[in-house]
Amino acid sequence: DTEVTQTPKHLVMGMTNKKSLKCEQHMGHRAMYWYKQKAKKPPELMFVYSYEKLSINESVPSRFSPECPNSSLLNLHLHALQPEDSALYLCASSRFIAAYEQYFGPGTRLTVT
Amino acid sequence: SQQGEEDPQALSIQEGENATMNCSYKTSINNLQWYRQNSGRGLVHLILIRSNEREKHSGRLRVTLDTSKKSSSLLITASRAADTASYFCATDALPSPGSGTSYGKLTFGQGTILTVHP
Repeated sequence: DTEVTQTPKHLVMGMTNKKSLKCEQHMGHRAMYWYKQKAKKPPELMFVYSYEKLSINESVPSRFSPECPNSSLLNLHLHALQPEDSALYLCASSRFIAAYEQYFGPGTRLTVT
Repeated sequence: SQQGEEDPQALSIQEGENATMNCSYKTSINNLQWYRQNSGRGLVHLILIRSNEREKHSGRLRVTLDTSKKSSSLLITASRAADTASYFCATDALPSPGSGTSYGKLTFGQGTILTVHP
């Protein structure tokens, strides 16, 4: 199984809502990532988890809160987002944190109204 | 700014032709990777080339790496309409003090939009 799954596929939320994005992989990978991608732009790294511990936070605003409950799951909790946070949110995993190819999920298309 | 810069920004070719995309980067790297993204979907890993490698092949793909020029190229031979997608290079930079890089951080180039006409 070389698949990374993400739910939901689409999400529309108001600026006062709280929602969560979920990501799952069953490849035994020990590194997991969140990226944000705006239209016609490359993905931008947000967070990296290695062995379920937060390894990199790219100065992401606190309204985005990552969580890695176990080695297969990665969540991104969203609260009080702004319209400019609307984007495609991609989850990825790799065998370990460095020097390995990353496997990406299909993404969650987030719209903040 | 992005570590990797790609050119051309867009490339339009006929089926059967070859497509070449170039990527330049600024700092020392551990490896360089190429990904493909179909419109609005997740990225698919194509090939990884390590800093001590100069050329790598995978099916119709050929990647070269010139660390002295800090550049890489992706060649797709005998292109097909299904190759239509955005292609990104991504660098896995070597961490160094004050560089702002760390292990596990892939930095993507701006991408090349490839259109292959049937």
